[in-house]
Amino acid sequence: NAGVTQTPKFRILKIGQSMTLQCTQDMNHNYMYWYRQDPGMGLKLIYYSVGAGITDKGEVPNGYNVSRSTTEDFPLRLELAAPSQTSVYFCASSYTLNTEAFFGQGTRLTVV
Amino acid sequence: GQQLNQSPQSMFIQEGEDVSMNCTSSSIFNTWLWYKQEPGEGPVLLIALYKAGELTSNGRLTAQFGITRKDSFLNISASIPSDVGIYFCAGPNTGNQFYFGTGTSLTVIP
Repeated sequence: NAGVTQTPKFRILKIGQSMTLQCTQDMNHNYMYWYRQDPGMGLKLIYYSVGAGITDKGEVPNGYNVSRSTTEDFPLRLELAAPSQTSVYFCASSYTLNTEAFFGQGTRLTVV
Repeated sequence: GQQLNQSPQSMFIQEGEDVSMNCTSSSIFNTWLWYKQEPGEGPVLLIALYKAGELTSNGRLTAQFGITRKDSFLNISASIPSDVGIYFCAGPNTGNQFYFGTGTSLTVIP
């Protein structure tokens, strides 16, 4: 039972570098989400997707981009990393908006 | 943006005590979900509520969907050390966005 798989688990980036956080789910869920969680804080929605080919902005989309070419994959791209993007990133998926969202283990990103 | 406020922000309780926490929203929600997050892990669903006034239990956990649809409550009875974690309320707004509350951090002292 893989569920939602995120890679990498940890990453250190220099300011201005770019990277892609990978997320894949094997539950055939339509909805996928990217959240960031700063220390001691709740989760803030970055981007979400309601199905392949459809993406939309959440609360804090600036500095990020996403794509959803398949149902399974929802990568998150940081083009020019900034210290403010130091955070733990969680990917999640759900069958519909009102049903349980399953989360990945998270990616801890540090920008120095 | 949508604001889901949880209180208390943190709790330190003795093992065996009961716990109550709540979540309030600035707008109406049609679904309330309660999640628990342990250190280094993603949140895991505890209870889902789909109807105003609904009261649902899952073992020692009981959650209620407020009548106004702008609040929800979670109770944990007879707390044990493994209840430690951060508890989040969450729900979808009318625009397909799924919001999380600010969280309640629970520490259980053996």
